[in-house]
Amino acid sequence: TQLLEQSPQFLSIQEGENLTVYCNSSSVFSSLQWYRQEPGEGPVLLVTVVTGGEVKKLKRLTFQFGDARKDSSLHITAAQPGDTGLYLCAGGDTNAGKSTFGDGTTLTVKP
Amino acid sequence: GAVVSQHPSWVICKSGTSVKIECRSLDFQATTMFWYRQFPKQSLMLMATSNEGSKATYEQGVEKDKFLINHASLTLSTLTVTSAHPEDSSFYICSAPEIGTFSYEQYFGPGTRLTVT
Repeated sequence: TQLLEQSPQFLSIQEGENLTVYCNSSSVFSSLQWYRQEPGEGPVLLVTVVTGGEVKKLKRLTFQFGDARKDSSLHITAAQPGDTGLYLCAGGDTNAGKSTFGDGTTLTVKP
Repeated sequence: GAVVSQHPSWVICKSGTSVKIECRSLDFQATTMFWYRQFPKQSLMLMATSNEGSKATYEQGVEKDKFLINHASLTLSTLTVTSAHPEDSSFYICSAPEIGTFSYEQYFGPGTRLTVT
């Protein structure tokens, strides 16, 4: 069974601070996705990383896929209250035909 | 990106009754859809994989006779919670995958909040 561990589980910071969320696994994934979910809504796809060592930027968000394709990180620069939400990493497994989700990181950014 | 809808967005029912939740892919066909359950501030828990034209595949520990799944068309999957009890109260979310050569992305519905009284 493939498992994804996210850390930290909860994070509360002030507006303007930087933060990093980690997603680690002992398994190799063909791709890894990051999603953000706001309360009462479904998760929304932020990014997909496929290549080991890949770095993708989405405005103030930087996503990195580990060289061995087992881990990933999400870095947010100058966090804003609008970044508040549940961040989920997920390993996409085309062979298994489903995604494996991490435990999630609940981020609260205080104004 | 692909759009997935769910109906209803919230429902309150009495203990012992059944509730049906619909999941629709609006601008694409989905031979596979997934149903998840989520508790507050927790991650998604996969309940079952819905397969168009065949039986659903349930995750270990999920009662298939209680959570009935039907995937009768390429754009619609339904989850029926039978004989609902207060412990079934939760946020239920469906998703449909977009499969690339190396990627496996999920497009989620907005979720259904079920409250059983």
